[in-house]
Amino acid sequence: GQQLNQSPQSMFIQEGEDVSMNCTSSSIFNTWLWYKQDPGEGPVLLIALYKAGELTSNGRLTAQFGITRKDSFLNISASIPSDVGIYFCAGPTYSGAGSYQLTFGKGTKLSVIP
Amino acid sequence: DAGITQSPRHKVTETGTPVTLRCHQTENHRYMYWYRQDPGHGLRLIHYSYGVKDTDKGEVSDGYSVSRSKTEDFLLTLESATSSQTSVYFCAIRGGASDTQYFGPGTRLTVL
Repeated sequence: GQQLNQSPQSMFIQEGEDVSMNCTSSSIFNTWLWYKQDPGEGPVLLIALYKAGELTSNGRLTAQFGITRKDSFLNISASIPSDVGIYFCAGPTYSGAGSYQLTFGKGTKLSVIP
Repeated sequence: DAGITQSPRHKVTETGTPVTLRCHQTENHRYMYWYRQDPGHGLRLIHYSYGVKDTDKGEVSDGYSVSRSKTEDFLLTLESATSSQTSVYFCAIRGGASDTQYFGPGTRLTVL
């Protein structure tokens, strides 16, 4: 099946620094999604991207849908302690009868040092 | 809040016992999903449902079965639990006609 490769796997940053992470695929996706998971909770949708080249912001978060449709990037500006968590990228795949499922990357674990 | 609840939230059981996890949604969504999450593997799809009595297998379906007899409930059953099924299980729904999914709070299952 399709695989999404996320990097880096983990990162430690100082509070106030900017963060960049990315997700790549060998296949084309028509949608890219970014989720954040806080410890002990379920993933929460941060940003959805629907068009190649699209740049979308949600507060201090900005995500981009790569032109090739095979990659996406997430940036966090001026990190704060509550940014700690695991960030996942995801993309949809479709099969017969209209069924749909998401493929997830393995996540980027972010730690913020106060 | 997508109106998703999971029960139980925590369970400890012994190898060989049957276990059923329940996912309940209040917003009449057609698609429902069961994932497991393990360190180093991210989220992996177990089974999903695209309507009442319509289900299909995901990437890691061996050892699991599901049932959906009504729109609001999607049950995941481990017929004979094994230690390799110790994991955190998440239920999700598809957000309307979009490509997005929304997740429940998770069930932490430990098989001794």
